[in-house]
Amino acid sequence: QSALTQPASVSGSPGQSITISCTGTSSDIGAYKYVSWYQQHPGKAPKFMIYDVTSRPSGISNRFSGSKSGNTASLTISGLQAEDEADYYCTSFTSSDSYVFGTGTKVTVL
Amino acid sequence: EVQLVESGGGLARPGGSLRLSCSASGFTFSTYWMHWVRQAPGEGLVWVSRINTDGVYINYADSVKGRFTISRDNAKNTLYLQMNGLRAEDTALYYCVRPLHGEYAFDIWGQGTMVTVSS
Repeated sequence: QSALTQPASVSGSPGQSITISCTGTSSDIGAYKYVSWYQQHPGKAPKFMIYDVTSRPSGISNRFSGSKSGNTASLTISGLQAEDEADYYCTSFTSSDSYVFGTGTKVTVL
Repeated sequence: EVQLVESGGGLARPGGSLRLSCSASGFTFSTYWMHWVRQAPGEGLVWVSRINTDGVYINYADSVKGRFTISRDNAKNTLYLQMNGLRAEDTALYYCVRPLHGEYAFDIWGQGTMVTVSS
């Protein structure tokens, strides 16, 4: 199972919106609504941000939103803040009864 | 407080074995599927394996199939990963992960235990 494809880096100024794409196939993202997103700061464990493509867990800011079209999912961060600077990973359940993560995107707040 | 604490990592020789443990607390362990996810130094996250609530239904990533064995002891609230035939590419921080109940997403993460495979 090949990793989902994410841009290596995305940057934006404070207050701006950015979008991170996550491209898979018809066997993972295209087949299921089970796409989730994770934020990871250096040296820390990942933090759960979005599940089932668009749902936010309790306590996650509504500045974070998810979407999907075909084989590509996206995470949008609006009102970018300094603390949003981190690595972001998508993941999807697959038709092989497994999970595949994205390659990861480093978000830089300019 | 919901918590996952991994242990058992360390240095192993190529071809060697290690057994990772994950002690769970703060929730009803026996009612959750559980997963292992790993992250090589400076690299991304990779899903390794999952096990259902009673240990009957198990899945592995192709990269570890036939070498790693996931198991659990619900009486001890503990998840295990037996790692045999270790390779240099297995070097990673191994996270124990609890999914959101009934969902296909990873809710609670441990802090990880580091496995280094080197001669």
